[in-house]
Amino acid sequence: SQELEQSPQSLIVQEGKNLTINCTSSKTLYGLYWYKQKYGEGLIFLMMLQKGGEEKSHEKITAKLDEKKQQSSLHITASQPSHAGIYLCGVQGGSEKLVFGKGTKLTVNP
Amino acid sequence: KAGVTQTPRYLIKTRGQQVTLSCSPISGHRSVSWYQQTPGQGLQFLFEYFSETQRNKGNFPGRFSGRQFSNSRSEMNVSTLELGDSALYLCASSVGNNQPQHFGDGTRLSIL
Repeated sequence: SQELEQSPQSLIVQEGKNLTINCTSSKTLYGLYWYKQKYGEGLIFLMMLQKGGEEKSHEKITAKLDEKKQQSSLHITASQPSHAGIYLCGVQGGSEKLVFGKGTKLTVNP
Repeated sequence: KAGVTQTPRYLIKTRGQQVTLSCSPISGHRSVSWYQQTPGQGLQFLFEYFSETQRNKGNFPGRFSGRQFSNSRSEMNVSTLELGDSALYLCASSVGNNQPQHFGDGTRLSIL
């Protein structure tokens, strides 16, 4: 079965700093989802990447899919306290079944 | 458009009891999936329903079951509760066909 490893597990940055979160797959990536979760709440859909080389941006968050490296990265520019939370990457593990990484906990200090 | 609604938000039960959790998907979404989230195991897939049929099931014991109604609303049931069932249970809906799943805020179940 496909497994996703996220790095780092946790990250503390100063407000205004840039940061990158990585998600590496044990198998070929045909598509990948990024979600954000506030503690104890549901997941908020951020982006879906469907093909190698694809790059998407939403506000200050950019995600890329490197099919050859079996990896996706999530980059946040000029971080803000509102970016704090747990970022999760997920892949389709079968029809409508998502397999997730363990998550990266982001803390942004004002 | 209303999001995915899960009820109740919090639930406290004792070992051996059973529990039913409810999920109302986004209007027009026919696929409903359930996930269990714990600190140790992370997010794990329970099962998925589409048009009242279970299409996919994760590796959970038979104590975990679910169903979907004709209006796409879904329920999951856990019988003979164990301490290890304490978790955040998340429901997600989508239009299907590998489109993004949208999650509710979850039901936090605590077993005493």
